[in-house]
This record gives sequence, C-alpha cells and structure tokens, in this order.
Amino acid sequence: DQQVKQNSPSLSVQEGRISILNCDYTNSMFDYFLWYKKYPAEGPTFLISISSIKDKNEDGRFTVFLNKSAKHLSLHIVPSQPGDSAVYFCAASGGSGGGADGLTFGKGTHLIIQP
Amino acid sequence: NAGVMQNPRHLVRRRGQEARLRCSPMKGHSHVYWYRQLPEEGLKFMVYLQKENIIDESGMPKERFSAEFPKEGPSILRIQQVVRGDSAAYFCASSLRDRGEQYFGPGTRLTVT
Repeated sequence: DQQVKQNSPSLSVQEGRISILNCDYTNSMFDYFLWYKKYPAEGPTFLISISSIKDKNEDGRFTVFLNKSAKHLSLHIVPSQPGDSAVYFCAASGGSGGGADGLTFGKGTHLIIQP
Repeated sequence: NAGVMQNPRHLVRRRGQEARLRCSPMKGHSHVYWYRQLPEEGLKFMVYLQKENIIDESGMPKERFSAEFPKEGPSILRIQQVVRGDSAAYFCASSLRDRGEQYFGPGTRLTVT
C-alpha cells in the first residue's frame, strides 16, 4: 500500500530550465510534507518542507506547491544546475505509515540535469 | 557543528550473527528515527525514540530487531540472527522537536553473506 507515490522514476531537464518533480499521496491524515535530495552512498539531505495549512513555500531556487484537494505536491527547481542531479524523495508525516512522527517516503525520482 | 553520525558505514555479517548499528544525533537533538532502504525502494520508517524511551516502533519487524537510545551514548539498532533479507542501507535521522524536519546520517550498509 503505497501512501506516497512518485510516478516518474526519472526526469531529464536541460541546465537553466525549470525542473518539476511531482508527488501524490493517498492518506488524508498527512499534514506535513518534505522533499529530500540524495546522492549515491549518502544520506538524504533535507531541502524544503510545507505544512498542510499552506499551499506554497519558497526557499531560494526551490519552491514546493501543495494542492490538498488533489492530494498532490510538486517541487520546482529554477534554474536547474548540474549539481541538482540526484534522486529526490517526497516524504510525508502525520499518517499511519510511519506513525505520527515517522516519515512515509515515495520511491524517488532520479533527476538528471543535461548540460 | 557535526551532523548526524553513523557507524560503521559498512558492515558485513554472516547469516546468524548479530549486527549493531550506531547513531549519534545532531547536537541538541533528542529525537531519533531509524529507517531502512532496500534496493530500488524508498526509505521505510522503523522506529522513533527519545532519550530512554521508544515512542513508536510500528515499523520494526516483530522479531530479531530492537532499538535503544540510552541516557548517555548513541542510539543503537540491533539485529539478531541476521538473514540475507536484512541486507539493506539503514539510515538514522534526528530532529530538534517532534514533527520537525529530520536530518539524516550517511547510513550503514549492511551486507549479510
């Protein structure tokens, strides 16, 4: 039962363009969402988060949008840079998948920035 | 200003042996979480601990796995009588408060031969 879904295993974007990574969730109890970036053989690095009381949060080149009615969130990276090439994980908390505080993760999207 | 520390980074065990994974949270963080990542999968929550207390172990396998976070020292994830299916990357995360952002360590890659 996949409560957090990232339906694109990979995404290729040209350097300088916008990268848009998508995430859908099924559990309406989730109330806090996070994006992490992960390089091979390293732990996930926190990027940005959003509470369910908001619909947008911005931090530098990263913006997260939340559409509660559609149970959908997206991460926008603009402009995309070569160092952004990594696997991006969407995560949520508040549901039963990981307890109130444990995070429920999607399977990740591998972002490749083309020069 | 060290981040979350995990050791060892790589651990090889034979079937039936015990594996002990250690995690030191970020300075000032008293909330610790353990996750497991199987190949081609996302991270799966295992257990959430605060000092000397297990808060939520809903993701822990019922047998062979245990976790602790003593008053002094690192958090320990212990796997007894390891089997091949336990081979995975185990990540520890810490946070300053409950429901806050979690910061991850580099992981321990366990290989069971």
